[in-house]
Amino acid sequence: GAGVSQTPSNKVTEKGKYVELRCDPISGHTALYWYRQSLGQGPEFLIYFQGTGAADDSGLPNDRFFAVRPEGSVSTLKIQRTERGDSAVYLCASSLNGELGYNEQFFGPGTRLTVL
Amino acid sequence: AQKVTQAQTEISVVEKEDVTLDCVYETRDTTYYLFWYKQPPSGELVFLIRRNSFDEQNEISGRYSWNFQKSTSSFNFTITASQVVDSAVYFCALTTDSWGKLQFGAGTQVVVTP
Repeated sequence: GAGVSQTPSNKVTEKGKYVELRCDPISGHTALYWYRQSLGQGPEFLIYFQGTGAADDSGLPNDRFFAVRPEGSVSTLKIQRTERGDSAVYLCASSLNGELGYNEQFFGPGTRLTVL
Repeated sequence: AQKVTQAQTEISVVEKEDVTLDCVYETRDTTYYLFWYKQPPSGELVFLIRRNSFDEQNEISGRYSWNFQKSTSSFNFTITASQVVDSAVYFCALTTDSWGKLQFGAGTQVVVTP
């Protein structure tokens, strides 16, 4: 079956612009995670969805970042008024059941965001 | 607070050599899960292993083996007889949350040359 997909693979934008990053999880996976990976570092947690609701958004750096998952499948990460410091690879992962912490998370290929 | 430390930034080996990647974790929770992921040059993280805090058995999977020692809070990973295809960044990760929010280490770049 298909894995986690993310679009676009690359996004270049100008400082101050709005961007949306999309994640399609594995079919049937109820848990969805967003992480951000800066160059030379490990991924950092942003937000976790169980179904349609954001169960943990403690990793979002500020209120310019927002994410939705209206139907419990596809998720969109939205960044307003982008800044150069937002440049990173944004990774999406899904797992079968987020309420069981030991479930393996399957990662997508990521979206590389560059803010000029 | 919890933390994962991978002190080795980069390890270079010649093919067929063994390589061991260190991972030290910190947590006050008694129940937690440890993971290793591989990130090849293509960028996609690939799950390698999961271990819970109550299972200290070492594990071997082909050329990969893992040594979990609670006494030293370490979860080390060894690649035996390395191959060029093992070249990647390897991440150790920890979760103590019931929903599996992962705390990653900084990663170790493994370079295997022919």
